[in-house]
Amino acid sequence: SAVISQKPSRDICQRGTSLTIQCQVDSQVTMMFWYRQQPGQSLTLIATANQGSEATYESGFVIDKFPISRPNLTFSTLTVSNMSPEDSSIYLCSLRDTRDGYTFGSGTRLTVV
Amino acid sequence: QKEVEQNSGPLSVPEGAIASLNCTYSDRGSQSFFWYRQYSGKSPELIMFIYSNGDKEDGRFTAQLNKASQYVSLLIRDSQPSDSATYLCAVNTGNQFYFGTGTSLTVIP
Repeated sequence: SAVISQKPSRDICQRGTSLTIQCQVDSQVTMMFWYRQQPGQSLTLIATANQGSEATYESGFVIDKFPISRPNLTFSTLTVSNMSPEDSSIYLCSLRDTRDGYTFGSGTRLTVV
Repeated sequence: QKEVEQNSGPLSVPEGAIASLNCTYSDRGSQSFFWYRQYSGKSPELIMFIYSNGDKEDGRFTAQLNKASQYVSLLIRDSQPSDSATYLCAVNTGNQFYFGTGTSLTVIP
């Protein structure tokens, strides 16, 4: 299975600021996915990041709030912009590991104060 | 109706017992089914996947799939305190991958 390195692992941020989360994969992958997991909730897909094209956002998520970059096949970033306490969550990047489900990064625990 | 439904629990079982976790899904076209374990503060890790009707065993874990009933379950035999975690059911439907809300399992020593 591919290995994903995600950072930062956690951060505490002031409201109104932005945080960029990075994911580095040890192999080339076509699609990477960004999820959010709010406290006590399951995973919600934010967007799908394809290399060389704009990310595809799910309903309820917009590019201005969650800009994504995918400069190459091993790297992606998610920025949480103009943060508010409601953005406090765990953010996870992931990739499809052949047929056998998704592999996840270690997650970024974000607290907005 | 949610795509994937699980009882949130918490489910408590004594050490050594069998823990049974259940999941239903709404789309009959769903093709593959996964169980993830998530420890508190950690990311989900894949523990089982199943594609065909019937049982699939891997060590102490058995996944059961019944496509007619749109039901998938996970049995954990000889439960250990280290099995205490939230278990997420996930279903692949075409190009979409849906997660349930998870069932919290506590194994009591």
